[in-house]
Amino acid sequence: SSELTQDPAVSVALGQTVRITCQGDNLRSYYASWYQQKPGQAPVLVIYFKNNRPSGIPDRFSGSSSGNTASLTITGAQAEDEADYYCSSRDNSGNHLRVFGGGTKLTVL
Amino acid sequence: QVQLQESGPGLVKPSETLSLTCTVSGDSVNSGSFYWSWVRQPPGKGLEWIGYIYYGGNTNYNPSLKSRVTISVDTSKNQFSLKLSSVTAADTAVYYCARDYADTQMNWFDPWGQGTLVTVSS
Repeated sequence: SSELTQDPAVSVALGQTVRITCQGDNLRSYYASWYQQKPGQAPVLVIYFKNNRPSGIPDRFSGSSSGNTASLTITGAQAEDEADYYCSSRDNSGNHLRVFGGGTKLTVL
Repeated sequence: QVQLQESGPGLVKPSETLSLTCTVSGDSVNSGSFYWSWVRQPPGKGLEWIGYIYYGGNTNYNPSLKSRVTISVDTSKNQFSLKLSSVTAADTAVYYCARDYADTQMNWFDPWGQGTLVTVSS
């Protein structure tokens, strides 16, 4: 099955912009979705299909994609954005599997 | 508002079968619009997709778990269930159920249940 690769950890100064990336060959065929997970909580969908935000997700979260890389950008990071972020996509095998990236721990300084 | 809630034993002995149920409210597990997935997360680690069930009882599993996993649905109770056989300590994790949308270009999981911790220990 396909793999999605994320940087284990990223940091950003309060109010600055940060990009979290996700790489995988399957991202050339399928869009990624992004999830925020805070300690002790279930993941929450923040971005899906190109650059769509579910209701309640602040517009400082945006998504983009180029080639084999999907990106989640937080413009004007807030303290409450400190969390783990996971990307997910369809597998490239044609077997309709789902796959997650290893996750990125975002620290807001 | 769609909500999912996992339930089941929090402790399972090695070599036995882990059984969990996800109760769905606000949507029908038999609607055909969504898949219904299980995802797990070992303590301190990342997310792992286990498998899904779809309209009519069609299933699809992570190849790494396929030999031990069964996902089923009870439409009368609007629930879907997970069974994982021959468990070991490596199966200790928080198990989540999630509604899963997919088409030819993408998939996403929303919403998720709150998760339930299952510990494998004698």
